[in-house]
Amino acid sequence: AQSVAQPEDQVNVAEGNPLTVKCTYSVSGNPYLFWYVQYPNRGLQFLLKYITGDNLVKGSYGFEAEFNKSQTSFHLKKPSALVSDSALYFCAVKMMNSGYSTLTFGKGTMLLVSP
Amino acid sequence: DGGITQSPKYLFRKEGQNVTLSCEQNLNHDAMYWYRQDPGQGLRLIYYSQIVNDFQKGDIAEGYSVSREKKESFPLTVTSAQKNPTAFYLCASSTAGANEKLFFGSGTQLSVL
Repeated sequence: AQSVAQPEDQVNVAEGNPLTVKCTYSVSGNPYLFWYVQYPNRGLQFLLKYITGDNLVKGSYGFEAEFNKSQTSFHLKKPSALVSDSALYFCAVKMMNSGYSTLTFGKGTMLLVSP
Repeated sequence: DGGITQSPKYLFRKEGQNVTLSCEQNLNHDAMYWYRQDPGQGLRLIYYSQIVNDFQKGDIAEGYSVSREKKESFPLTVTSAQKNPTAFYLCASSTAGANEKLFFGSGTQLSVL
């Protein structure tokens, strides 16, 4: 079984400050890890993914995420937050080399960036 | 303009009624998915299809049905057996491969009258 935990329902940060949205995962094997963003009343948009290799993954809109195998974490980060980054963020996991498996999503973290 | 189109954007269901949500993609993707989104619960998988004329149940398939007669289309029917259908429904597609990202439609908000 695979699962994802996003321990924070909401993260508040001031514009210009660094932001972190936390994600931990559980899979019985090596994971594929993803971050998606959702703006109000819209579908999800892909931000970035970790497959293998460098633990620091860079994605869209200046976001990056760090894969930490020992802590089973994949936290989303951005050095300087923008008000327009305010949205709902989802972490997702899929088991690697499983033939065919589906994505399991976390419950989401609302990011609010204040001016 | 490539993408996934969901319709309608808003849908209302009367008690005892079946309703069908449309999902069409022109990305030439083999795999398609239906997710249900409830506030504070994230996305839960209803059904998915890897190829035409084949589909599998997800985590919460009870009260729902699907068909995959064409590669481009994956309609979802919410039956009267689904007692709590009010939710935001998202359709997605992807190419084959375990590490491929999903492309999402803009969603359908279903409410009960």
